[in-house]
Amino acid sequence: QKEVEQDPGPLSVPEGAIVSLNCTYSNSAFQYFMWYRQYSRKGPELLMYTYSSGNKEDGRFTAQVDKSSKYISLFIRDSQPSDSATYLCAMSVGSGGYQKVTFGTGTKLQVIP
Amino acid sequence: GAVVSQHPSWVICKSGTSVKIECRSLDFQATTMFWYRQFPKQSLMLMATSNEGSKATYEQGVEKDKFLINHASLTLSTLTVTSAHPEDSSFYICSATTGNQPQHFGDGTRLSIL
Repeated sequence: QKEVEQDPGPLSVPEGAIVSLNCTYSNSAFQYFMWYRQYSRKGPELLMYTYSSGNKEDGRFTAQVDKSSKYISLFIRDSQPSDSATYLCAMSVGSGGYQKVTFGTGTKLQVIP
Repeated sequence: GAVVSQHPSWVICKSGTSVKIECRSLDFQATTMFWYRQFPKQSLMLMATSNEGSKATYEQGVEKDKFLINHASLTLSTLTVTSAHPEDSSFYICSATTGNQPQHFGDGTRLSIL
């Protein structure tokens, strides 16, 4: 069993839709959770960084963490064609950038105009 | 802020040659840099962790003599793929951190070995 599971998609939605992206994980020691966006042939770009359970909102993006279920989500409101990319969840045990990060395989999202 | 530059973005070379990839943190001092490899439709696989001024720590299964990492300054780390072969073709991505913030990634290097 992989430490982090993520549906690879692709997920196609019409412009303006609410998108829900999810990951499950098995290591209960994970406490720091991240979402990265990766455009084709580019490096990942950090979108959200959260600690422990709860919600965090940034513009059209909301990250949710449910540690009891070992389940994290990223919601994108009013999705735009420019949101079309691969979204990677990531998590680590400790804080700080030097901590080893475990990534999901990524979900490919396509927002259709 | 937190810009990481990676060069070259794409390289094609013959089998048996060595290829050097540079990773630079442009607006911050990176105490730690990471090197990843990414295959199509797969996650990022950590190859090694590099701290400035010390030897890199390689993940299990990564050949140290094949993938030489140098982190000579707080803004530059290099990955050299020695005697590259077609199976080394991949997308190589570096990331950098000051330690207090999450990793920031470069745009990757697409390596094609003929």
